[in-house]
Amino acid sequence: EAQVTQNPRYLITVTGKKLTVTCSQNMNHEYMSWYRQDPGLGLRQIYYSMNVEVTDKGDVPEGYKVSRKEKRNFPLILESPSPNQTSLYFCASSLGALNTEAFFGQGTRLTVV
Amino acid sequence: GNSVTQMEGPVTLSEEAFLTINCTYTATGYPSLFWYVQYPGEGLQLLLKATKADDKGSNKGFEATYRKETTSFHLEKGSVQVSDSAVYFCALSESAAGNKLTFGGGTRVLVKP
Repeated sequence: EAQVTQNPRYLITVTGKKLTVTCSQNMNHEYMSWYRQDPGLGLRQIYYSMNVEVTDKGDVPEGYKVSRKEKRNFPLILESPSPNQTSLYFCASSLGALNTEAFFGQGTRLTVV
Repeated sequence: GNSVTQMEGPVTLSEEAFLTINCTYTATGYPSLFWYVQYPGEGLQLLLKATKADDKGSNKGFEATYRKETTSFHLEKGSVQVSDSAVYFCALSESAAGNKLTFGGGTRVLVKP
């Protein structure tokens, strides 16, 4: 089954404690991205990757890091989480060509206290 | 920059009612337009898309027409069901440098029996 898998689904952490949210896709997609979803703001892109070892900032990259060492994996790293990073996070992948469908993971609800 | 504006919810309807969700966009070029749907506890799924002016996207009884003259992509369904209760996102994609989606704020739809 074609899917994007994120882990964990739920996470509560304290300010400043480094964390990683994993994302894996099994569709051999080149393009992967991370979004955060906040009420009334829709989804905003954090970072994206067009292929292995190629990453770039989206609209709201501050406080986040990513890496793309393998085609299937695209982890999101919060080196020093803060309460304003409390949000619902989605990983997405697509073939990479313009206009193709993006496939989303089920989301990770992060609370930073 | 690009932006998408959609009507705020929640929209509450009775089963078999007609649904319209307005969406307008601002883009510098010629974007592709999408509607994504998010069911409770799940990630986003592509509902329909249109890639050029006057195209009509359709799926599961939903329709939307790409109107360049009014920069709109309104979603319609003639007879909603309880199972259509979800959050609907209008989005556009324009950048050839990466399949970035720019989302509207989302519209929650609740269909009552």
